[in-house]
Amino acid sequence: GAVVSQHPSRVICKSGTSVKIECRSLDFQATTMFWYRQFPKQSLMLMATSNEGSKATYEQGVEKDKFLINHASLTLSTLTVTSAHPEDSSFYICSAANREYEQYFGPGTRLTVT
Amino acid sequence: QKEVEQNSGPLSVPEGAIASLNCTYSDRGSQSFFWYRQYSGKSPELIMSIYSNGDKEDGRFTAQLNKASQYVSLLIRDSQPSDSATYLCAVLGFQKLVFGTGTRLLVSP
Repeated sequence: GAVVSQHPSRVICKSGTSVKIECRSLDFQATTMFWYRQFPKQSLMLMATSNEGSKATYEQGVEKDKFLINHASLTLSTLTVTSAHPEDSSFYICSAANREYEQYFGPGTRLTVT
Repeated sequence: QKEVEQNSGPLSVPEGAIASLNCTYSDRGSQSFFWYRQYSGKSPELIMSIYSNGDKEDGRFTAQLNKASQYVSLLIRDSQPSDSATYLCAVLGFQKLVFGTGTRLLVSP
């Protein structure tokens, strides 16, 4: 399967600060990248869909000004959680899709906001 | 009605048995279907994709699709304790996957 990396794997930050998470598809050019959030013992929740060179499409209820997504190239997308608060603490996972719409997930970033 | 439905489980099977995981979906026009495995605390891993009616085999895994019944399943033969995980069924919607809530599988030695 394809390889998707995500960095950092774990981050702790203070309330009010911003955190940037990088997602890279290492061995294929992703037509689309996705950002998910998962709270403990809950299912994946899609936050936004990101296409290279265009604005991200956010799911209902996800604040685009709080969760900034930049998709600079076919292999890199970034998610910035701005002015993070403790309720933003979660497991953030990116995925990259190939032309068959198969999504390959990164290893995830565990964010803790204190 | 949820778009993709799975029994949350847990489904408990003994080592060496066949585990059968089921999923139904509501969009009759869906064409692409995927099974993911997610270990606790880890991200999902793609196991199988299936696009046509019938069976698709890959090692110990067999995906089965019946579009008329809007049903997709995953069989795991010779189940191992290392197969214990949550299995997510996903159906391709408009450029994005719709996930079920997952079935937790427990394989006992």
